[in-house]
Amino acid sequence: QQQVKQSPQSLIVQKGGIPIINCAYENTAFDYFPWYQQFPGKGPALLIAIRPDVSEKKEGRFTISFNKSAKQFSLHIMDSQPGDSATYFCAASARHDKIIFGKGTRLHILP
Amino acid sequence: NAGVTQTPKFQVLKTGQSMTLQCAQDMNHEYMSWYRQDPGMGLRLIHYSVGAGITDQGEVPNGYNVSRSTTEDFPLRLLSAAPSQTSVYFCASRLLGQGEQYFGPGTRLTVT
Repeated sequence: QQQVKQSPQSLIVQKGGIPIINCAYENTAFDYFPWYQQFPGKGPALLIAIRPDVSEKKEGRFTISFNKSAKQFSLHIMDSQPGDSATYFCAASARHDKIIFGKGTRLHILP
Repeated sequence: NAGVTQTPKFQVLKTGQSMTLQCAQDMNHEYMSWYRQDPGMGLRLIHYSVGAGITDQGEVPNGYNVSRSTTEDFPLRLLSAAPSQTSVYFCASRLLGQGEQYFGPGTRLTVT
């Protein structure tokens, strides 16, 4: 019940396309859903996060869509660029508790 | 602020050797944690701490020890290294009650 399931494992998209990464969870106590971005040789860094009281959040070209009833959330990258090529992790946590990560998606944007 | 710092960046150990991975943060964060990252396995939580003197186990604690004597420092000890502990280790910290977690640059450990 503590797991966060992430798909796909890897994704290749043409420049300008809209990659979509999906995550699902079981624990209804989770109330914080962040996405982290990791470049090779670096630690993950927070990209965008959402709480379950909203269904969508946008920051620049990055959008989280959240479906509370289905216990699913997804990351969309608009007008993707080669510089967006990285590994993306979804995660979930309950207040004051540890953050549980998905297994990650390796995204490659073709120039 | 230096953020979250980790030392060393790289380390090679022989099976059975012990060592300590250092982690420090200067943001006065109560919560600190250690993850290991392996290909296809994501970030797996090893141990975490919600404050000085308090530690708890994560998903994969076996073979690792931690202590938290100060708010700033959270070292990870490998008592008897095994090849299965070859991985990249990340330390992270955040404020309690807030989700944003800051990661260090990582330590790449190889056990031969």
